[in-house]
Amino acid sequence: NAGVMQNPRHLVRRRGQEARLRCSPMKGHSHVYWYRQLPEEGLKFMVYLQKENIIDESGMPKERFSAEFPKEGPSILRIQQVVRGDSAAYFCASSPSLAGGVDTQYFGPGTRLTVL
Amino acid sequence: SQQGEEDPQALSIQEGENATMNCSYKTSINNLQWYRQNSGRGLVHLILIRSNEREKHSGRLRVTLDTSKKSSSLLITASRAADTASYFCATPVGGTASKLTFGTGTRLQVTL
Repeated sequence: NAGVMQNPRHLVRRRGQEARLRCSPMKGHSHVYWYRQLPEEGLKFMVYLQKENIIDESGMPKERFSAEFPKEGPSILRIQQVVRGDSAAYFCASSPSLAGGVDTQYFGPGTRLTVL
Repeated sequence: SQQGEEDPQALSIQEGENATMNCSYKTSINNLQWYRQNSGRGLVHLILIRSNEREKHSGRLRVTLDTSKKSSSLLITASRAADTASYFCATPVGGTASKLTFGTGTRLQVTL
C-alpha cells in the first residue's frame, strides 16, 4: 500500500517560470491538503481539496497560485510566474474521510522548490 | 499568529536519556497531534490525543494534554540516535480536521 506520493522531489525554476507540483494521495483517500514549509519553520496550510472541489483555500495566495484535484489523476499545485520567495518545501497530505470530525493526515515526502 | 508553539526550540541529549517537548496553543481544540520530521523528509504522524483525554501512550512516547492551560507535552523515553528529528505539534483549526496548524517545532538531537 503505497503512501502519499509527490513528484518531483526537487524542482528548480527561474524567476517568471511556472512550477507544477503533483500529489497522488494514498489509495482510498479522497481528501488532499497542501502545506508550505519555509526553512526553520513549521508547515503552513495552503489549500484543502476533495475530488473536483476546492473546500478551503484560505491559506493560498490570491495571485499566481492555484490547485486542483481532478476526478482522475493526481492533485496539482500550480505556481505561475515564480519569485524567489516561493522557494520552499511543499508538502501534500491525504486523509480518508472526516468521519467523526477527526482524521489523521498522512504526508508525502515533499517537493523542494528552488527559484533562481 | 502561531496556533502551536513548541518549547524548547532545540534540545540536545545523550542516548538513553528522556526528552520532553512542550506545545502551547491558543484556541479551543478537539484534538492535538504530534508529528516527527527527519531532516529533508516528510512528516510522520506519531500520536493523536483528543480533548477529553489527559494522557496517551504509544511505545516510548507519552503525550499529555491540559486543556485548561492549553498545553501539551511529548515525552520520549530512553531516547535513541534514530530519534534525532524535528517534532511538531499540530491542531485542527476551527475544531475540524480540515486543516492543521503547526508550531515551529523542537529540533531534537540525540548523541551517542
